[in-house]
Amino acid sequence: DQQVKQNSPSLSVQEGRISILNCDYTNSMFDYFLWYKKYPAEGPTFLISISSIKDKNEDGRFTVFLNKSAKHLSLHIVPSQPGDSAVYFCAASPQGGSEKLVFGKGTKLTVNP
Amino acid sequence: EAGVAQSPRYKIIEKRQSVAFWCNPISGHATLYWYQQILGQGPKLLIQFQNNGVVDDSQLPKDRFSAERLKGVDSTLKIQPAKLEDSAVYLCASNNKGVDTQYFGPGTRLTVL
Repeated sequence: DQQVKQNSPSLSVQEGRISILNCDYTNSMFDYFLWYKKYPAEGPTFLISISSIKDKNEDGRFTVFLNKSAKHLSLHIVPSQPGDSAVYFCAASPQGGSEKLVFGKGTKLTVNP
Repeated sequence: EAGVAQSPRYKIIEKRQSVAFWCNPISGHATLYWYQQILGQGPKLLIQFQNNGVVDDSQLPKDRFSAERLKGVDSTLKIQPAKLEDSAVYLCASNNKGVDTQYFGPGTRLTVL
């Protein structure tokens, strides 16, 4: 059973436009959510996180929105840059921190110049 | 600050052979994780150490996989004997309890023929 779902395997956007990556989860016990970015041949790197007590967290060009009632979160990148091209993983944790992470399958973002 | 180190970066073996992976976490990090990432999937937690003790190994196939962290610093993950379905990237991550993210190494890509 897939507890964290990223239903779009890939996304392509133009440079300067907004990228929106989506993630759904099924486990009501998840209370902390993270986004990781992964370049080829490298390990995932932390991008941004959000606690279940918030509905929005912003860090520069990156904003994560959380809709607990819908069990849905999204990552917005504005404006998108070619260097943002990578695989983005959504992850969730039931323990209020970053332990016991459950990852989605990832979405490959391509930002075209 | 040096990141998480892993070796080897690539390994090709025949099925039924044995293989070992090594991880050195970020200095001072008490918690160490091993993940398996199969192509097209997100990372899946295999085992979590807190210092030199196992916190969670519920998803580790213990009939063939073993891991140790004897001195609470670096760690080895072993597969014996390997199967074709073990072909994956094995990621090591570390952090300290209460820190909001895990830091990943570059991974070891294992191919079992």
